[in-house]
Amino acid sequence: EVQLVESGGGLVQPGGSLRLSCAASGFTFSSYEMNWVRQAPGKGLEWVSYISSSGSTIYYADSVKGRFTISRDNAKNSLYLQMNSLRAEDTAVYYCARMPVVTAYFDYWGQGTLVTVSS
Amino acid sequence: EIVMTQSPATLSVSPGERATLSCRASQSVSSNLAWYQQKPGQAPRLLIYGASTRATGIPARFSGSGSGTEFTLTISSLQSEDFAVYYCQQYNNWPPRFTFGPGTKVDIK
Repeated sequence: EVQLVESGGGLVQPGGSLRLSCAASGFTFSSYEMNWVRQAPGKGLEWVSYISSSGSTIYYADSVKGRFTISRDNAKNSLYLQMNSLRAEDTAVYYCARMPVVTAYFDYWGQGTLVTVSS
Repeated sequence: EIVMTQSPATLSVSPGERATLSCRASQSVSSNLAWYQQKPGQAPRLLIYGASTRATGIPARFSGSGSGTEFTLTISSLQSEDFAVYYCQQYNNWPPRFTFGPGTKVDIK
């Protein structure tokens, strides 16, 4: 069974940093591209970042470029999101989401971790 | 950026009735369109990809259609577990600029 379990969310002050993790199991993690998608409270879904299966190709939404860094450790079956210079508008539930091979929708999602940016 | 719109924002339907949800793209996305279902406090669940292909384990009462800029998700006979928010997502861009619609909430009439 495919499982994605996020962790690392919490309350952080504006300008602060946080590192999210996503532990994957039930599939060959190193074969899949992965993403982070977020959802502000009561709002819709926003794609945040993509990383290729090897980690060699990375993309970001304009709203987080230069502040967030996606990475992965295939030996540990883990995906990460380093978030710096956090703003109030980054407050959201952050989901890690798997992307099937050779396409670009999201077939499995984690349960999400809440990041709250507030003083 | 491709802007996705969905209508209606809220759809009130009685159990057993048919629900038709619309999604429109600001420019053609071919058939690179997915639908997700999200219940309160849960992660989104993939229903449809490629505009019309049901994901694994999705009941046949869910069907998708359309291409280009106009898409439809139809739930043929609503069950109690189908009351949720439904999002469409385009994945036609590369490098990725994936965008989602604002969602349609299907609630009980």
